[in-house]
Amino acid sequence: DSGVTQTPKHLITATGQRVTLRCSPRSGDLSVYWYQQSLDQGLQFLIQYYNGEERAKGNILERFSAQQFPDLHSELNLSSLELGDSALYFCASSPAISGANVLTFGAGSRLTVL
Amino acid sequence: DQQVKQNSPSLSVQEGRISILNCDYTNSMFDYFLWYKKYPAEGPTFLISISSIKDKNEDGRFTVFLNKSAKHLSLHIVPSQPGDSAVYFCAAVTGGYQKVTFGIGTKLQVIP
Repeated sequence: DSGVTQTPKHLITATGQRVTLRCSPRSGDLSVYWYQQSLDQGLQFLIQYYNGEERAKGNILERFSAQQFPDLHSELNLSSLELGDSALYFCASSPAISGANVLTFGAGSRLTVL
Repeated sequence: DQQVKQNSPSLSVQEGRISILNCDYTNSMFDYFLWYKKYPAEGPTFLISISSIKDKNEDGRFTVFLNKSAKHLSLHIVPSQPGDSAVYFCAAVTGGYQKVTFGIGTKLQVIP
């Protein structure tokens, strides 16, 4: 158990729908990151939050949004889902915002869009 | 534009032998490099890292080598064990905020 909790583990939904993925960071970590891993792709950075504020954005689609709440858990919202959104979504956390911090990953949420 | 490249999707090695996983990068601004290991149904876990001011870092059976002029790093596992069978991701970090860029991974199989 890495200490980073992601729910749900698996999710199957239809095109056009909206889903929310949830992440609880490791105790004491203030930064939360979201990554997407599609088939045969590396881990694509989506977005980073630090202590409730958005700090960095990567290749995140406009249909996707995220936020970090006061209790530091984070949610990734995916809307108007398309077949190509099927992927593993990982959340990671780290203690700080910068520097060579090691990310601690959750087990991921597997999204299947039919 | 893939800034971190792992050109070998898979690698098979006999138990006890050396495993060498390679990674190339294009962004000269990367100043810290990491390797993560991922088992099925689990998230990636940190394995070893190296700063750009060094050319080698060792941790037990794992050694990472960095050749900045060639923009190349490699992970050596000696001796390889069946439990090392996993997907290995190379990652690179630019200074300032924590933007970590990952490669697509290399699947290592260690054959008993």
